[in-house]
Amino acid sequence: AQKITQTQPGMFVQEKEAVTLDCTYDTSDPSYGLFWYKQPSSGEMIFLIYQGSYDQQNATEGRYSLNFQKARKSANLVISASQLGDSAMYFCAMREKWVTGGGNKLTFGTGTQLKVEL
Amino acid sequence: DVKVTQSSRYLVKRTGEKVFLECVQDMDHENMFWYRQDPGLGLRLIYFSYDVKMKEKGDIPEGYSVSREKKERFSLILESASTNQTSMYLCASSFRQSNQPQHFGDGTRLSIL
Repeated sequence: AQKITQTQPGMFVQEKEAVTLDCTYDTSDPSYGLFWYKQPSSGEMIFLIYQGSYDQQNATEGRYSLNFQKARKSANLVISASQLGDSAMYFCAMREKWVTGGGNKLTFGTGTQLKVEL
Repeated sequence: DVKVTQSSRYLVKRTGEKVFLECVQDMDHENMFWYRQDPGLGLRLIYFSYDVKMKEKGDIPEGYSVSREKKERFSLILESASTNQTSMYLCASSFRQSNQPQHFGDGTRLSIL
């Protein structure tokens, strides 16, 4: 069963507008974490934002915020005031409980390709 | 800044060859990871390591092996390359704590002919 689902293969947004990228997840572990990464066409993966399952507030990092709805098991990324440089592939990932040695094994979604237009 | 360096950006090999992909990190991270990325499939974990000489299978380990002789270096080995291993390979590293992000290298685009 797929643990991380990103249902939008592609999205368009106009410059300066806000956009929401969807991510739903499935886990029975009460302790988990959700990460968002950006991958520009150059290929490198850039960490954007993290939300822990016990965090009381939604995570924010500059123009990025996470709309975390625990009961719905969703962790949508909101980008405010879109810029041309935001055009990229965006991946949602979930940290599972990893007993061996501790740590943060991630399961990734299939990604959403965002295109920002003038 | 965290630096994860992969030895090659592009690599072309022939079917049946033994292929080595090298990854080095400079942040004293305990954890290191190898993924492959294919269109429509996202990133899939091949192997990971949480300490020197320790390794664990990920979701798609078949046809691959790894080596971690030093903390900063994690190697991915294709024992006998096949055309279905043509892909983008990404290395990542992180601290052990569960809320720490993984930091990625620039990737190696591997073509098996």
